[in-house]
Amino acid sequence: QKEVEQDPGPLSVPEGAIVSLNCTYSNSAFQYFMWYRQYSRKGPELLMYTYSSGNKEDGRFTAQVDKSSKYISLFIRDSQPSDSATYLCAMETSSYKLIFGSGTRLLVRP
Amino acid sequence: DSGVTQTPKHLITATGQRVTLRCSPRSGDLSVYWYQQSLDQGLQFLIQYYNGEERAKGNILERFSAQQFPDLHSELNLSSLELGDSALYFCASSSRERGNEQFFGPGTRLTVL
Repeated sequence: QKEVEQDPGPLSVPEGAIVSLNCTYSNSAFQYFMWYRQYSRKGPELLMYTYSSGNKEDGRFTAQVDKSSKYISLFIRDSQPSDSATYLCAMETSSYKLIFGSGTRLLVRP
Repeated sequence: DSGVTQTPKHLITATGQRVTLRCSPRSGDLSVYWYQQSLDQGLQFLIQYYNGEERAKGNILERFSAQQFPDLHSELNLSSLELGDSALYFCASSSRERGNEQFFGPGTRLTVL
């Protein structure tokens, strides 16, 4: 079993929809949780960085962490075609290395 | 633009050869990380350096080595290259003072023929 599980998609939604992306993890030692966006094999771009359980909002993005369930989510409101990309969740260990999910490919249709 | 730079952007070489990938971290970042992204393995952590010293190792092959220089730039050396080493190689940097988030460079696309 992988330490971080993420549905690869693709996920196709119409413009304006609310998108929900999720990851589960097995290692309770993970302390920090991140979401990255990656356009067609470019460098991953950090979207959200969270530590505690609960919600963190930044513009159209909301990151949610539930440590008791080992489950994290990223919500994108009012999705735009420019949001079409691969979204990677990542977990940080105590030694600062990141463990990535396999990524979910999102397509927002105009 | 994350502020992390990587050179070269593309590299095409033959099996058995040796290549060097270069990374310059964001100004002020002391930590540098190397990752490999292949189609079947996703993003895999290779190695981390902090202020010139190796800090953590991931699934890095013995044929691969890295170092961080006094000016904080880092190099990843890949030797005895195999077809399976073809991948995107990313460098990331972070700073404890700025929250420890890792910011990624644009990557080097390595093709081994």
